[in-house]
Amino acid sequence: AQSVAQPEDQVNVAEGNPLTVKCTYSVSGNPYLFWYVQYPNRGLQFLLKYITGDNLVKGSYGFEAEFNKSQTSFHLKKPSALVSDSALYFCAVRDSSNTGKLIFGQGTTLQVKP
Amino acid sequence: NAGVTQTPKFRVLKTGQSMTLLCAQDMNHEYMYWYRQDPGMGLRLIHYSVGEGTTAKGEVPDGYNVSRLKKQNFLLGLESAAPSQTSVYFCASSRGGTHYNEQFFGPGTRLTVL
Repeated sequence: AQSVAQPEDQVNVAEGNPLTVKCTYSVSGNPYLFWYVQYPNRGLQFLLKYITGDNLVKGSYGFEAEFNKSQTSFHLKKPSALVSDSALYFCAVRDSSNTGKLIFGQGTTLQVKP
Repeated sequence: NAGVTQTPKFRVLKTGQSMTLLCAQDMNHEYMYWYRQDPGMGLRLIHYSVGEGTTAKGEVPDGYNVSRLKKQNFLLGLESAAPSQTSVYFCASSRGGTHYNEQFFGPGTRLTVL
């Protein structure tokens, strides 16, 4: 069965410090992986995706994610956090059907403090 | 482009009442999805559609019905609302065709069932 795990409910970082939000996955076949961000009382916004190719994927707002096949991980990173990055972050994996369905992790709240 | 829109934004129902949530997208997307978001549980797929006139069950379909009579609209119905259906509902759409297109989300509908 396919699944996504985000092991941290909350991540706290100081503004200007690097941040990492962790995600691990379990799929059959090639993984197609996504990161979304949700600001309070808003819908989810797409940040980036990994389909194939380079293991380091760059996305919106200065975020990037590192795909590691051996560790089945897809961690979200940013070199220098901003207070405005504070939000709820979701990792997702496409399931193996031909329907584009995504399986989401439980979400990680990122708190960036000034 | 408005993207994905949802109506209404908020609704309070009494147990046993019915309602329909409307999702509309103006991106000519083939695939559409309905999710519910509950604290600590991420997003769970209720129903989805891979084209006009087609619908299929997701992870948590019980108590809900859907219709996709027009390509741009995807309706979610609650025939007899229950308190367990108190949640935030999100609609999403994607291009389809290939299996790794990202989904675009609406702003959500916050539903309370008393």
